[in-house]
Amino acid sequence: NAGVTQTPKFQVLKTGQSMTLQCAQDMNHNSMYWYRQDPGMGLRLIYYSASEGTTDKGEVPNGYNVSRLNKREFSLRLESAAPSQTSVYFCASTNPGGQRYGYTFGSGTRLTVV
Amino acid sequence: GQQLNQSPQSMFIQEGEDVSMNCTSSSIFNTWLWYKQDPGEGPVLLIALYKAGELTSNGRLTAQFGITRKDSFLNISASIPSDVGIYFCAGRSTGTASKLTFGTGTRLQVTL
Repeated sequence: NAGVTQTPKFQVLKTGQSMTLQCAQDMNHNSMYWYRQDPGMGLRLIYYSASEGTTDKGEVPNGYNVSRLNKREFSLRLESAAPSQTSVYFCASTNPGGQRYGYTFGSGTRLTVV
Repeated sequence: GQQLNQSPQSMFIQEGEDVSMNCTSSSIFNTWLWYKQDPGEGPVLLIALYKAGELTSNGRLTAQFGITRKDSFLNISASIPSDVGIYFCAGRSTGTASKLTFGTGTRLQVTL
């Protein structure tokens, strides 16, 4: 059972470079989420996709874009990376009707922008 | 947006001690969840609460859904070294498309 798989696990970017963080889940979940985790800030929602074909902004969407490629995959793109985007990024998924089980998280992507 | 205040921010305790942490919200939630994050990993669900006043246990962990629906508590009894990590509370209110709001975390360190 892979659950939620995130790639890459680590990445170093130069300011202004672009990259896409990949996320895939094999649990047939409808909803997927991208969070960032910064020291002392907890987890903050960047974007989410309540179901295939829909995406919505979360609390901190500026500087990011997302694509819900299909039911399994939800990618996060940084078009022009900035040092303020240095963070740990987590993807999560759930079924709204199955909310009794909360979110399942990936193991994270550690991004450093220099 | 909604804010969850989680306290304490960090704790250093000795093995065998009991631990208590709590989470308070400025608004009402209809679901409270507690997660644990090990170093280098994503958060893992520990306990979920769905009714005001509900008390639920998972091994040495016990969590309660506050009567006001604006708070929740997590207790860990007889702590062991593998309890080390960051504990997050999370809440969900109605009409938020299953979005969770997370607390800022309590970092727990256990000394022998």
